[in-house]
Amino acid sequence: GAVVSQHPSRVICKSGTSVKIECRSLDFQATTMFWYRQFPKQSLMLMATSNEGSKATYEQGVEKDKFLINHASLTLSTLTVTSAHPEDSSFYICSANGQVPQAFFGQGTRLTVV
Amino acid sequence: EDQVTQSPEALRLQEGESSSLNCSYTVSGLRGLFWYRQDPGKGPEFLFTLYSAGEEKEKERLKATLTKKESFLHITAPKPEDSATYLCAVLPPDDKIIFGKGTRLHILP
Repeated sequence: GAVVSQHPSRVICKSGTSVKIECRSLDFQATTMFWYRQFPKQSLMLMATSNEGSKATYEQGVEKDKFLINHASLTLSTLTVTSAHPEDSSFYICSANGQVPQAFFGQGTRLTVV
Repeated sequence: EDQVTQSPEALRLQEGESSSLNCSYTVSGLRGLFWYRQDPGKGPEFLFTLYSAGEEKEKERLKATLTKKESFLHITAPKPEDSATYLCAVLPPDDKIIFGKGTRLHILP
């Protein structure tokens, strides 16, 4: 099956710094990738849709200047959490849809802001 | 508004005790319904895709079924290693997958 690789799996950063998370589709091209956020014991909440070669579209309530998304190639999307604060601590997951309707997920990134 | 509701929120079973998880949905133009398994601290792991009412799929102790309004994930004679959160999700025409809140399943040895 298709594989989506997400890196890093865990990151701890200081408040006020920025953190970049990478999402790669390893064996297929993904014109669209999705970024989710998940709080403990909660479901995945869609943050934004990452479109190759164009601007990302953000869900209501998600600050686009805080969560910068870049989708520069058909196999790589990045999410940068800028000026991170403790309330940004969460589990971030990316996904890419294959040609057959199905979503493939990365392993997730546990972000802790101290 | 498209939405997905899973029940129960949590379920504790004895090893070998079969049961079913429910996923009710309202989506216009459903393109597919997915079941995923998620272990703590990890991303969702794909289990099944169902495309149309009446479809069934099986994998080991799991069987997924689909009607026009809901899907069931049946687990037969579960083992402790089946303990996880099971997520149901639907794919509408805009490709933005909508997830349910999941069912936390705990199998006691």
